[in-house]
Amino acid sequence: AQKVTQAQTEISVVEKEDVTLDCVYETRDTTYYLFWYKQPPSGELVFLIRRNSFDEQNEISGRYSWNFQKSTSSFNFTITASQVVDSAVYFCALGWGLIYNQGGKLIFGQGTELSVKP
Amino acid sequence: EAGVTQFPSHSVIEKGQTVTLRCDPISGHDNLYWYRRVMGKEIKFLLHFVKESKQDESGMPNNRFLAERTGGTYSTLKVQPAELEDSGVYFCASSRIQGGVGEQYFGPGTRLTVT
Repeated sequence: AQKVTQAQTEISVVEKEDVTLDCVYETRDTTYYLFWYKQPPSGELVFLIRRNSFDEQNEISGRYSWNFQKSTSSFNFTITASQVVDSAVYFCALGWGLIYNQGGKLIFGQGTELSVKP
Repeated sequence: EAGVTQFPSHSVIEKGQTVTLRCDPISGHDNLYWYRRVMGKEIKFLLHFVKESKQDESGMPNNRFLAERTGGTYSTLKVQPAELEDSGVYFCASSRIQGGVGEQYFGPGTRLTVT
C-alpha cells in the first residue's frame, strides 16, 4: 500500500538557520510522483515541486532544495537561511500511475509545522 | 489565470442539516479532485473527476456525500445529512489532462463545522 510519513510534527528554528523537512514514502509502483506543498496561515495549499520516480536529480530553487533518494525512499526538503515568511505547514505527497493514465489521487503525509522565529 | 476557487470559505451547520460546497477549477483543467482534512490529521482524497465523469470515488466516506460536476466545469459536494465527524477543511484541486500525475493546484478550502 502507498504511504507517506513525515515524522517531524513540529520544527522551530531561528531566522537564517537551515532546516530540513523529512519525507519517507512507500509504494510498490515503479512509476510514481512526489510533491511538496506549503500551507501558510492563510490556509491555501501552495504547490512547490513535483518529481517523477525516474528523475533522481536533486533540485534547487532559490533557498529551497529537494533531495530525492530512491535507495532510502526519501524526498527531503531543505530551506536554506530560513525566513519568518517560511513559517507554514509543509506537506509531502505521493501520486502514482502509468504514464498514460489520467490524473491520479495524492496521498499526503501528516504535515510538518515549521515555525521560524525572528 | 485565476486559481481554483471554493465557496463558501466557512460554513457552520447543525447536525442533520445539508450543506453544499462549490469548487471552480482553473479554466481548462479537466481533472478535478476533492480532498478533506479532519483536524490534526492528514489530507485525505475523496474523489476525482475527469471532465464530468467520476474517475475514482474510492475516498468518499459514505452515501451521505454526493459529488457532481455537470458540464465538466464547476463541481459541488453535498453532505446530507451532516454529522459531527464531517467537520474539517474540504479542499478542491485541479490539474490538466496529461500522462501520469500532474501538478494539482489547490483552492483555499472550505472549513465546515458541524455542531
